[in-house]
Amino acid sequence: GAGVSQSPSNKVTEKGKDVELRCDPISGHTALYWYRQSLGQGLEFLIYFQGNSAPDKSGLPSDRFSAERTGGSVSTLTIQRTQQEDSAVYLCASSLYGRGEKLFFGSGTQLSVL
Amino acid sequence: DAKTTQPPSMDCAEGRAANLPCNHSTISGNEYVYWYRQIHSQGPQYIIHGLKNNETNEMASLIITEDRKSSTLILPHATLRDTAVYYCIAVSAGGTSYGKLTFGQGTILTVHP
Repeated sequence: GAGVSQSPSNKVTEKGKDVELRCDPISGHTALYWYRQSLGQGLEFLIYFQGNSAPDKSGLPSDRFSAERTGGSVSTLTIQRTQQEDSAVYLCASSLYGRGEKLFFGSGTQLSVL
Repeated sequence: DAKTTQPPSMDCAEGRAANLPCNHSTISGNEYVYWYRQIHSQGPQYIIHGLKNNETNEMASLIITEDRKSSTLILPHATLRDTAVYYCIAVSAGGTSYGKLTFGQGTILTVHP
């Protein structure tokens, strides 16, 4: 596709439910990133995938958060047993090599936990 | 990556140049200065980056001081659509933490008629 695609654009869920957020990176980009942005805050790094290397999960806030990237392309961020503090915009980005070059961001998924 | 410091907000009149400063006094020799902006309800958008030379593209110009401790992003003719949060970040071209880009609070630029 022309850009990074995220789905759904909006997700409303009840506290305690699991959610899955999807990211389709730009074709050919080997690096994929997940960030979180709470209302009025800056971007918080969550996880980084680069090629076949083990992902850098150091930004995941708890073990309720996990992510996978299948076939080096599509990525899914899963949040189990959602809490109200998980409400945020979840942003995905990709880059060509993952060596500090520019990132291309999707429009994000607005997650609201009631 | 080096910490960057930006003013929390700035105003600019439409049609005038917007000059957004960024301090990065601890930047190392292999760290680039990148600028992104985030328009409300959208993901961040890359603007420009540089190492030590001034850079210009279709969106903006980047002026980096000779000692590389600060830089200025210049939008030559600001429009209302340039109203956004502007982030200045230092990105290492080497090392093992490429993914951990640290976006601070940025500068909220408001362009008014």
